[in-house]
Amino acid sequence: DGGITQSPKYLFRKEGQNVTLSCEQNLNHDAMYWYRQDPGQGLRLIYYSQIVNDFQKGDIAEGYSVSREKKESFPLTVTSAQKNPTAFYLCASSPWGLAGSYNEQFFGPGTRLTVL
Amino acid sequence: GQQVMQIPQYQHVQEGEDFTTYCNSSTTLSNIQWYKQRPGGHPVFLIQLVKSGEVKKQKRLTFQFGEAKKNSSLHITATQTTDVGTYFCAGDSYNTDKLIFGTGTRLQVFP
Repeated sequence: DGGITQSPKYLFRKEGQNVTLSCEQNLNHDAMYWYRQDPGQGLRLIYYSQIVNDFQKGDIAEGYSVSREKKESFPLTVTSAQKNPTAFYLCASSPWGLAGSYNEQFFGPGTRLTVL
Repeated sequence: GQQVMQIPQYQHVQEGEDFTTYCNSSTTLSNIQWYKQRPGGHPVFLIQLVKSGEVKKQKRLTFQFGEAKKNSSLHITATQTTDVGTYFCAGDSYNTDKLIFGTGTRLQVFP
């Protein structure tokens, strides 16, 4: 099956610990994204990547880091510097259009992170 | 910075009633997309609008892109309990290279 996988579905960590969320896609998409969703809120962009070995900060990048060493993988690390890390984290991918045009984004099932 | 707002934030309707959510951007958009997120789930793409004044239909759902390409609407005719979820619009501005998601409208349908 083609799609995006995120693991784990639920994650618990102690305050002060770094944690890495996994995101893998086999859709051969160029672009990948990380969003944060808080209860009753919309989606806020953390980081995005349009090509391997390159990524850009989104609107709320502070306290997060990413890497894009492979086209299929875009892991997100929530560092101890993130003041309110408890949230629902969504990874997405999309084929990159010509001249910056957008195609639909395909979302993974999400990881619900709780920091105790 | 660019903002995309949606109203209403919540809407409760009786099954069979119509529903509309409105999306407004602070800047002109090159295109707008709509997504649906079921409770506990992840957003799923519904449609993309590109042209000024464009109207598209998917069964009971009607999507419209404003003439100025700064607003959009989603109308559901005769809601069903399967329509429950949060509906997000997402815009791509000419001045950025990323989608900005709206605040979402949560729809609850009572049988």
